[in-house]
Amino acid sequence: DVKVTQSSRYLVKRTGEKVFLECVQDMDHENMFWYRQDPGLGLRLIYFSYDVKMKEKGDIPEGYSVSREKKERFSLILESASTNQTSMYLCASSLMGTGPQYFGPGTRLTVT
Amino acid sequence: GENVEQHPSTLSVQEGDSAVIKCTYSDSASNYFPWYKQELGKGPQLIIDIRSNVGEKKDQRIAVTLNKTAKHFSLHITETQPEDSAVYFCAASTGTASKLTFGTGTRLQVTL
Repeated sequence: DVKVTQSSRYLVKRTGEKVFLECVQDMDHENMFWYRQDPGLGLRLIYFSYDVKMKEKGDIPEGYSVSREKKERFSLILESASTNQTSMYLCASSLMGTGPQYFGPGTRLTVT
Repeated sequence: GENVEQHPSTLSVQEGDSAVIKCTYSDSASNYFPWYKQELGKGPQLIIDIRSNVGEKKDQRIAVTLNKTAKHFSLHITETQPEDSAVYFCAASTGTASKLTFGTGTRLQVTL
């Protein structure tokens, strides 16, 4: 089975802090994704990566950056956390090409 | 870009009844349509998917139908059980780096 793990289930940070969310997948998938999930808005794509050191902006990249130094690891960085970044963050991975994405359990981030 | 609309936002059915969730998409180039189930406190889990060269797919009590002409696809759950209670998301992909555009979700409640 595909396993996608995220470093924290719950995280509380203060406004202005730099926040790192880590995601690791164990299935040698080329693609990795970061989404945020908010009530009534579904899942919105922040960034994705189709190869090591490659990244592309999704639909809502403002205020975020990413890093992919190794194939199995994809990090989401909030350079200066703000209260409107309080949300559930979901990481996913998939094989190259069109196909299913496999999700981690999510990190619920609260910025106070 | 792609836009996916999902209805209804909430659905309550009695145990044993059928449930139908409908999605429409805007990009006629979309060719892959997965459905995800998200239980409380967990990440979305793929339950069934369909590609544009197929009109219908079944897996036990779950089926998905696709109408390419009308650009809509539906999830059908028969003989619903309490464990089917969850939030369901549809998604569509044009195949570009496996990017998915998600609907806003349907909260299904199966009552005894």
